Amino acid sequence: KNQVEQSPQSLIILEGKNCTLQCNYTVSPFSNLRWYKQDTGRGPVSLTIMTFSENTKSNGRYTATLDADTKQSSLHITASQLSDSASYICVVSATSGTYKYIFGTGTRLKVLA
Amino acid sequence: ETGVTQTPRHLVMGMTNKKSLKCEQHLGHNAMYWYKQSAKKPLELMFVYNFKEQTENNSVPSRFSPECPNSSHLFLHLHTLQPEDSALYLCASSQASGQGWGNQPQHFGDGTRLSIL
Repeated sequence: KNQVEQSPQSLIILEGKNCTLQCNYTVSPFSNLRWYKQDTGRGPVSLTIMTFSENTKSNGRYTATLDADTKQSSLHITASQLSDSASYICVVSATSGTYKYIFGTGTRLKVLA
Repeated sequence: ETGVTQTPRHLVMGMTNKKSLKCEQHLGHNAMYWYKQSAKKPLELMFVYNFKEQTENNSVPSRFSPECPNSSHLFLHLHTLQPEDSALYLCASSQASGQGWGNQPQHFGDGTRLSIL
């Protein structure tokens, strides 16, 4: 069964600290993996997208990694800011003729001053 | 400015009402989607339209009826909804390719928060 699991469910950190969010998936055949940021009351916004051959992708203070062998991805946030408080959603795309998106439940991050 | 606009942002309706959600995209995309987002659950894909043709219907109850008159507009018509239908309804768009639509990034609107009394 295609699944995407994210951990932790929620996380609280102090402003300026780093953090890492995890995404494990059992999706086959794998096409790509995306991380989205969703602010409260807003729609998700794409942060990164990685295909099978990519190990890491950065977008400012956000760095995503992908290990296709272990089927794990992480999203590392450097020098966190208050505006990083949001839900972070991992989405894996599978393809078997037509594409499918499998969504994780997200990690809710709270950055405190 | 997300490029995908949803109206209304909030909607409260009774179970016997009929209402419609609207989505408009200004990105030149040719695939549009409806998602349901409930608390502590993954986004649930409801419908996919590819070049105005419905290509996905994930066992959505008939009380939800989508309409896609052109590649820029998408509607979700609602009637006789249930309390469990209360959720955030998100619209998204993307480019479609010959292999389908899953390999292109999706752009989301900010959703319609729906509450069923």
